[in-house]
Amino acid sequence: DTEVTQTPKHLVMGMTNKKSLKCEQHMGHRAMYWYKQKAKKPPELMFVYSYEKLSINESVPSRFSPECPNSSLLNLHLHALQPEDSALYLCASSLLQGGEQYFGPGTRLTVT
Amino acid sequence: AQSVTQLGSHVSVSEGALVLLRCNYSSSVPPYLFWYVQYPNQGLQLLLKYTSAATLVKGINGFEAEFKKSETSFHLTKPSAHMSDAAEYFCAVSPTPRGSTLGRLYFGRGTQLTVWP
Repeated sequence: DTEVTQTPKHLVMGMTNKKSLKCEQHMGHRAMYWYKQKAKKPPELMFVYSYEKLSINESVPSRFSPECPNSSLLNLHLHALQPEDSALYLCASSLLQGGEQYFGPGTRLTVT
Repeated sequence: AQSVTQLGSHVSVSEGALVLLRCNYSSSVPPYLFWYVQYPNQGLQLLLKYTSAATLVKGINGFEAEFKKSETSFHLTKPSAHMSDAAEYFCAVSPTPRGSTLGRLYFGRGTQLTVWP
């Protein structure tokens, strides 16, 4: 199994809603990543988890809250988002932090 | 600071023609280098990687890239383009030595490849 899965595929939420994005991998990878990608732009790193501990936080606003419940699962909790947060949110994993990263299909988020 | 330059935000080729996508990096120490492809409304797929072994790297879908330290380049090529190659291509750098940059990928701005029939 060489796949990173993400749910949901699409999400529309209001600015007062609370929602969560989910990412899962069963490749035995110990590093997991969240990226934000705007149209026609490269992905921007948000968070890195290594061995289920937060390793990198790229000064992301607190309305984004990551969680790594176990080595296979990564969540991104969303609260009080702004319309400019609308983007494709990508999850990735690597065997160890710094290795080649494998990306999931992404969640297309629209904030209304 | 790391930077990655992809020359040409758009490249168009005819089906069967050579594909050449350019990538240059800035680093005094050879980094790890990657090419990713992204099809519309999908995630990024790893095409190939350079991690200080052979300088000519072969990847999936017939793509290959050559690491040239003297030119700080890692250009992506494919001898014969196929319609299914139309996508966005990103070059990415993971710096070495690692230290505080461990896990960071520095992406180029991307090159949109169009393949004409």
